[in-house]
Amino acid sequence: KQEVTQIPAALSVPEGENLVLNCSFTDSAIYNLQWFRQDPGKGLTSLLLIQSSQREQTSGRLNASLDKSSGRSTLYIAASQPGDSATYLCAVINSNSGYALNFGKGTSLLVTP
Amino acid sequence: ETGVTQTPRHLVMGMTNKKSLKCEQHLGHNAMYWYKQSAKKPLELMFVYSLEERVENNSVPSRFSPECPNSSHLFLHLHTLQPEDSALYLCASSPGYSNQPQHFGDGTRLSIL
Repeated sequence: KQEVTQIPAALSVPEGENLVLNCSFTDSAIYNLQWFRQDPGKGLTSLLLIQSSQREQTSGRLNASLDKSSGRSTLYIAASQPGDSATYLCAVINSNSGYALNFGKGTSLLVTP
Repeated sequence: ETGVTQTPRHLVMGMTNKKSLKCEQHLGHNAMYWYKQSAKKPLELMFVYSLEERVENNSVPSRFSPECPNSSHLFLHLHTLQPEDSALYLCASSPGYSNQPQHFGDGTRLSIL
């Protein structure tokens, strides 16, 4: 059974800092890995999707990396802003499923002005 | 108009009531999903439909009954729920059901009295 772990569970940083969120998964046989953002009381917004054959994806100030063999991914946020405050979720789709997203519990990020 | 719309946004019901959650997607996708998000637990996949056929029923109690009349609409019929069923119920859709990015609605916050 795929287990996805996110560290830290919560993080508070001052505005302008660069930060890294970590995600690990126990079964390396995955199709892809997605990072999502969830604002309070809202649904999930997809930030980045990395296919199993890729090493990283970038979108603006966000960069996600994937090391499938070691079961790890990181989400790097450059020059953080208060608007980045949200919960960040990591999820993987197993190769033997093709569609079932397995989620971590998320990292709650607070960026203070 | 958002890609995936869920109604109602909030629902309070007694354990003996019958209610339904509705999800509608405007993205031309062929697969739709129901997820449950409980406090302090990862998101759990409940049901998956592809081209109106149920692909996955992830050991969900029979008091939850999904319905997918067409590829744009998904319902979750609720009856005789328990207090532990209080959660945020999220709907998602994707172009196909294998190795495709999923797009989420804002969810229905369900409270069982």
